[in-house]
Amino acid sequence: KNEVEQSPQNLTAQEGEFITINCSYSVGISALHWLQQHPGGGIVSLFMLSSGKKKHGRLIATINIQEKHSSLHITASHPRDSAVYICAGGQGGSEKLVFGKGTKLTVNP
Amino acid sequence: DTEVTQTPKHLVMGMTNKKSLKCEQHMGHRAMYWYKQKAKKPPELMFVYSYEKLSINESVPSRFSPECPNSSLLNLHLHALQPEDSALYLCASSQGQGFGEAFFGQGTRLTVV
Repeated sequence: KNEVEQSPQNLTAQEGEFITINCSYSVGISALHWLQQHPGGGIVSLFMLSSGKKKHGRLIATINIQEKHSSLHITASHPRDSAVYICAGGQGGSEKLVFGKGTKLTVNP
Repeated sequence: DTEVTQTPKHLVMGMTNKKSLKCEQHMGHRAMYWYKQKAKKPPELMFVYSYEKLSINESVPSRFSPECPNSSLLNLHLHALQPEDSALYLCASSQGQGFGEAFFGQGTRLTVV
C-alpha cells in the first residue's frame, strides 16, 4: 500500500524562526509534491521533487530517495506562512496522488 | 497562464436541486481531476480525466456526474445531494504523463441544505 506520513501534525513558531516539516513515503512513490493550503482556501503547489533539492524564495525542499524522506524548510518564517502544508506522493505511471494528513503551521508575530 | 479557475467559489443547494461545478485551465494539461475535501482532512480523489476520457472513478456515488467537454474544461454535475456531501470541491490539472506538477484551483465551497 502506498503511504505518505507527515510530521509534525501541528507546529507553532515565532516570526523569524527556521521551520522544518518532514515527510516519509513508501515504495512506489516516485515523486513528492509539497502543497500549501490557507484556511478555507484552495491548494497551491510549492514544489515537485523526484531527486535533490529545490529552492524558491524562503522555501527549500529536499528529498532523499534512498531513505524515502523529504523535508520542507522555511527560512525567516513570517505570519503569512501560517497555513496547512501537505506532502503528497505521485505514483509512477499513475495519475493519483497519495496525500499526507498535513501539518498545520502557525507563525506568531 | 498557470491558473486553474473554478466557478462558483461558493454554492448552497437544496437536496432536490441540480447544479454544476466548473473548472477551466489553459496550460495544455491533458489530465484533470476532481477532489473532495472535508474540514481538516486531506483531499480525496473522486475522478480523473486523461485526454478527455474518464480514467479513474473512485467509486463515487452516481449523484456526482463528471463531464469533460474539451481538453480545457471539466464539469461536475450535482443532483440529489445529501448534507454529508457538503465540502470543498477542488479541481486540479497536470501534464498527464506519469503525473507532472499538479496545479489546483481555489475550490468550490459546497453546502447542501
